[in-house]
Amino acid sequence: EVQLVESGGGLVKPGGSLRLSCAASGFSFSSYSMNWVRQAPGKGLEWVSSISSSSSYIYYAGSVKGRFTISRDNAKNSLYLQMNSLRAEDTAVYYCARDWTTVGPFDYWGQGTLVTVSS
Amino acid sequence: SALTQPASVSGSPGQSITISCTGTSSDVGGYNYVSWYQQHPGKAPKLMIYDVSNRPSGVSNRFSGSKSGNTASLTISGLQAEDEADYYCSSYTSSSTQVFGGGTKLTVL
Repeated sequence: EVQLVESGGGLVKPGGSLRLSCAASGFSFSSYSMNWVRQAPGKGLEWVSSISSSSSYIYYAGSVKGRFTISRDNAKNSLYLQMNSLRAEDTAVYYCARDWTTVGPFDYWGQGTLVTVSS
Repeated sequence: SALTQPASVSGSPGQSITISCTGTSSDVGGYNYVSWYQQHPGKAPKLMIYDVSNRPSGVSNRFSGSKSGNTASLTISGLQAEDEADYYCSSYTSSSTQVFGGGTKLTVL
C-alpha cells in the first residue's frame, strides 16, 4: 500500500525557518517525481514545488522561489522541503504528493502537515 | 495564475452537473494533462480524472472529463450525497510546473 506521511510542521515566527519531511513507503520511491502542494486555511490548493526522480529537475512556484528548497533522499525514501524567510502567507497545510508520470497527475497524497507562521 | 473555476455549483440527487476550468494556451489548451481532484473537508485531495478524460481504477464511471480549447470540464452524473465536496482542476504548464484552479464547492441539495 502506498503511504506518504508528512512531518515537521508547527508554529514559527515570521522570518523563521522550518524543514518538512515526507516519508514514503509501498512503492519504488526512486522511480517517481514528487511534489509539495499547500492549502491555506479555507483556501484552495497551490502547487509549491516538484523534484524529479533523480533530483535532476527541480521547479518552484514563483511565490516561494528563492526561499524554499526541495530535496530528496532516495536511500531513505524521503522528500524534504526547507522553508526559509517564512511569511504569514505561507501558513497552510503542506501535502506531499506523488507524480504519476512527471507531468502529473498526483495520484497519491499524504495527509498533510500544518505550518503556522505567526508572531 | 490559477485556473478559473466557478466558486460553487449545486444539484439534486440523480441530476448531472458540470464544473468548468478555464486556463490559457500555456496550460489547459496546450496539453492534454488536465486532472481533477475531489476533496472532502479535512481530507487530502483524491484524484478523480487524469489526462483530461481518464478515470483511475476505483473511481465511479459517473465522473467524466472533457476539454475544448482552453476550457476543461468535469461532469458528475447521477449525483449522490457523497459527491458533495470541493473539486479542483489542475494542469501541466509550459513552464514544467503545475497550476490548480481556485476550486468549486459542490452542494447536493
